[in-house]
Amino acid sequence: QKEVEQDPGPLSVPEGAIVSLNCTYSNSAFQYFMWYRQYSRKGPELLMYTYSSGNKEDGRFTAQVDKSSKYISLFIRDSQPSDSATYLCAMSASTNAGKSTFGDGTTLTVKP
Amino acid sequence: EAGVTQFPSHSVIEKGQTVTLRCDPISGHDNLYWYRRVMGKEIKFLLHFVKESKQDESGMPNNRFLAERTGGTYSTLKVQPAELEDSGVYFCASNFAPGYGYTFGSGTRLTVV
Repeated sequence: QKEVEQDPGPLSVPEGAIVSLNCTYSNSAFQYFMWYRQYSRKGPELLMYTYSSGNKEDGRFTAQVDKSSKYISLFIRDSQPSDSATYLCAMSASTNAGKSTFGDGTTLTVKP
Repeated sequence: EAGVTQFPSHSVIEKGQTVTLRCDPISGHDNLYWYRRVMGKEIKFLLHFVKESKQDESGMPNNRFLAERTGGTYSTLKVQPAELEDSGVYFCASNFAPGYGYTFGSGTRLTVV
């Protein structure tokens, strides 16, 4: 069983929709949680990171971490066609914060 | 600020040959990482440098892979001899401190035929 499971998608939504992207994990040692966006033929781009539990908001993006359920989410409000990309969750333990474990990614398409 | 630069962007080599990938991190980033994504799989950790020292190389698949970071600046990842299963996209990333996310390069797409 993988340590990080990500909702596989693909996901297709109309412009303006609220998007929810989700990951579950099994390693209770994970303390750092990150979301990346990856466009085709490019490297992942860091969107948000959070430490431990709680919410973090940045513009149209909100990251949530529920450590009791081992569940993290990324919400995108007012989605735009430019948000069409693959979204990756990643996490690491505080004892080895430099080593991240990634989900497989969810491909999102926002249709105009 | 220049980002993380990787060279080459693509490489096609025959099984048994040697390939060297290069990564130039963001200036001032002591932490440098190599990750790999093989077809149909998730991005996986290979190793982590702090300056010129290997902090964690637990993800290196076998002794055909050799990573170096002389002088704590750029890094190279050599695969010798290459096997078919080494095909994939090799990403380099860097940051000031672990745990707070990386800046990734665009990757080197390696194809072993």
